[in-house]
Amino acid sequence: KQEVTQIPAALSVPEGENLVLNCSFTDSAIYNLQWFRQDPGKGLTSLLLIQSSQREQTSGRLNASLDKSSGRSTLYIAASQPGDSATYLCAVHSNSGYALNFGKGTSLLVTP
Amino acid sequence: EAQVTQNPRYLITVTGKKLTVTCSQNMNHEYMSWYRQDPGLGLRQIYYSMNVEVTDKGDVPEGYKVSRKEKRNFPLILESPSPNQTSLYFCASSHPATGGAGANVLTFGAGSRLTVL
Repeated sequence: KQEVTQIPAALSVPEGENLVLNCSFTDSAIYNLQWFRQDPGKGLTSLLLIQSSQREQTSGRLNASLDKSSGRSTLYIAASQPGDSATYLCAVHSNSGYALNFGKGTSLLVTP
Repeated sequence: EAQVTQNPRYLITVTGKKLTVTCSQNMNHEYMSWYRQDPGLGLRQIYYSMNVEVTDKGDVPEGYKVSRKEKRNFPLILESPSPNQTSLYFCASSHPATGGAGANVLTFGAGSRLTVL
């Protein structure tokens, strides 16, 4: 069974800092990996999707990388802003089926 | 507007009283799925569907049923709800990823908060 772990569980940084969120998974036979953002009391918004054949994806200040062989992905946020405060979730789609496994998330607080 | 719509958004019910949470998408997506989100446990997949009449169990299917009679709708049925099914439920949909397997970028509904007394 695919296990997805996110470290750290919580992070607080001052505005303007660059930061890295980590996601690891136990089974490297994945189809894709997605990063989501969840605001309190709200649904999830997809940020980036990386196919298994890709190494990274970029969207604005966000950059996600994937190292399938080591079972790791990172989400890099440049020049953080208070509006980036949210919970960030990593989800892995395994080759063995069509199930999607989520990490428990990293709760990010960016202070002004 | 492209969206996934869940109803009801909030529901308080009692043990054993059958209920259905509806999910509808207007994007002609083949893939749909249900998740529950609990503190300390994160999001866990309940059921998913690759297309009409094709459904499969996720990690926590016990106590739930689903059906996919139409492409746009994927209702979640709790035949006899119990207090341990108190949770925040999310429906999501997507096109399959290129090549057939898996799912592409997921669109989530706003969530349905269910309390079973």
